[in-house]
Amino acid sequence: SQTIHQWPATLVQPVGSPLSLECTVEGTSNPNLYWYRQAAGRGLQLLFYSVGIGQISSEVPQNLSASRPQDRQFILSSKKLLLSDSGFYLCAWSAGQGNSPLHFGNGTRLTVT
Amino acid sequence: AQKVTQAQTEISVVEKEDVTLDCVYETRDTTYYLFWYKQPPSGELVFLIRRNSFDEQNEISGRYSWNFQKSTSSFNFTITASQVVDSAVYFCALTGGTSYGKLTFGQGTILTVHP
Repeated sequence: SQTIHQWPATLVQPVGSPLSLECTVEGTSNPNLYWYRQAAGRGLQLLFYSVGIGQISSEVPQNLSASRPQDRQFILSSKKLLLSDSGFYLCAWSAGQGNSPLHFGNGTRLTVT
Repeated sequence: AQKVTQAQTEISVVEKEDVTLDCVYETRDTTYYLFWYKQPPSGELVFLIRRNSFDEQNEISGRYSWNFQKSTSSFNFTITASQVVDSAVYFCALTGGTSYGKLTFGQGTILTVHP
């Protein structure tokens, strides 16, 4: 069966520090991969998605970037964190078909101080 | 542009009551897919159901049931005989057209079931 791992679970970082969140998927190949952010208001916002290695699409211009160095690895990064980057970050994967449901990781709660 | 509206911000019920969570969507796509997700206090989103735009049959899974009506662009979710473990945030989501794979989420409904 497929599993998705996301770490760390919680993170407290000072403003201006770098960020690296990692997500890996097991049990499937060539998944679509996604990074979502959930702010305090509860809505989920799509940040990045990837349909293959090295293929990243950004949905919202911001202080973050994403990379997919391997088929089942998706990394969310920032060179300098802002206070507004605080939130709950969720990685997700789906099968290649467009109507496949997304399966989410457990999330990373990031607090920028 | 696609939009999903969950007008109920919070719902509070007593255990064993039935509760319906509303979801209204907007899309110009003729083919689209609707989803419901549950987010318990632990934070992860749990997939509950997917429905495509060509299938308006209602679906029942245990205490859960879904009512999809294209005429009113609604995809409502009913929990029968609610339990404390049903307490969570529930999200309705939509994808379709060129947005396949990228979900547009509603703002979520916080459901609290009291013993």
